[in-house]
Amino acid sequence: QVQLVQSGAEVKKPGASVKVSCKSSGYTFTNYYIHWVRQAPGQGLEWMGMINPSGGRTNYAQKFQDRVTVTRDTSTSTVDMELSSLRSDDTAVYFCARTDTSMITTSWGQGTLVTVSS
Amino acid sequence: DIQMTQSPSSLSASIGDRVTITCRASQGISNYLAWFQQKPGKAPKSLIYAASSLQSGVPSKFSGSGSGTDFTLTISSLQPEDFATYYCQQYHSYPLTFGGGTKVEIK
Repeated sequence: QVQLVQSGAEVKKPGASVKVSCKSSGYTFTNYYIHWVRQAPGQGLEWMGMINPSGGRTNYAQKFQDRVTVTRDTSTSTVDMELSSLRSDDTAVYFCARTDTSMITTSWGQGTLVTVSS
Repeated sequence: DIQMTQSPSSLSASIGDRVTITCRASQGISNYLAWFQQKPGKAPKSLIYAASSLQSGVPSKFSGSGSGTDFTLTISSLQPEDFATYYCQQYHSYPLTFGGGTKVEIK
């Protein structure tokens, strides 16, 4: 069965960077896109960006364009999302999600809590 | 960016009630509209794609309709497991955007 397993919770200081991993299994990794969505405490869902694992093409939301980097490793079927220059308002649960090439979402990771605090 | 506006932001309903949630896009998105259900502390669950197509395994009490700018999600007979927050999402163009959510609570 399709599984997206994310790395564990992180606590970071303001100004630092964080890397969250999303390991895929149960399907052909390069046939589906991986997106990153975050959710601040008590708030809604916010799309950050995506990667096409076949070739590595990315697309980022303008809001995160200069702070986020999404990469993939086809040998381990893993997608990483790195967010730099962290601020307190980056405290959120970060989800990875799988879509087909038509952007239809079918699977989600379990979420990773990132806490930014001095 | 395409703005997605959901209404209401919250509602109270009883078991067995028929519930309708509305989502409006700031510009036409054809039928590139998905609905998600999220329970506290959990990842979202995909319910509907292409405005009206049920994801595999989703019960038929959920239905979606609409095209262009106006969409609805209907739960035909509310059950205890349906109390959650529901989000619409457009995937017509980047950046993908979500509605603000509708929290369905027990009356």
